[in-house]
Amino acid sequence: QKEVEQNSGPLSVPEGAIASLNCTYSDRGSQSFFWYRQYSGKSPELIMSIYSNGDKEDGRFTAQLNKASQYVSLLIRDSQPSDSATYLCAVNKGHQRRNTPLVFGKGTRLSVIA
Amino acid sequence: GAVVSQHPSWVICKSGTSVKIECRSLDFQATTMFWYRQFPKQSLMLMATSNEGSKATYEQGVEKDKFLINHASLTLSTLTVTSAHPEDSSFYICSARELWAGGLYNEQFFGPGTRLTVL
Repeated sequence: QKEVEQNSGPLSVPEGAIASLNCTYSDRGSQSFFWYRQYSGKSPELIMSIYSNGDKEDGRFTAQLNKASQYVSLLIRDSQPSDSATYLCAVNKGHQRRNTPLVFGKGTRLSVIA
Repeated sequence: GAVVSQHPSWVICKSGTSVKIECRSLDFQATTMFWYRQFPKQSLMLMATSNEGSKATYEQGVEKDKFLINHASLTLSTLTVTSAHPEDSSFYICSARELWAGGLYNEQFFGPGTRLTVL
């Protein structure tokens, strides 16, 4: 089982719809969770972090965490064509030292159709 | 968020030459920096972990003598691609983690990347 799994997509949604991106992780002791957005030809950009079960909202983005199910998701409301990118889920494993990198999923490609 | 810079943003070199890429954390101290490589339409691949004042830790399959990493200070790490060949052409991205006392909730911040083309 991969440590962090995401559906590679592409996930296509119409403009204005809600895009739902999902991620599962294998290490039950994982402590913190991140979503990065990567546009084609660019480096990843941190857009959300979440540490506790439940929802965390920031503008059009909502991150959801369920540690019991080992599941984290990202919702994008009122999707715009400019949201078209690859979204990377990253996990900071439990008891991880500072010099251990985040574990990244392979990313889900989102395409928002105008 | 914290800012990480990389220089150069792109470089074209001849086969057999060496190329140095700099990664700087601009507004925070980073005891640890990470170097990634990404080929077109592929996922990030971690190459090595760079620790200030000590030797880098390389991922399996990454040649440490080919990809030299130096982390001279808390704000600067360099990656040198030695004797570059066309197959080394890729997008190289560094990432830094802020020096925190706690250590559990550390995001990684990415530099803008360096596109290397070896002719």
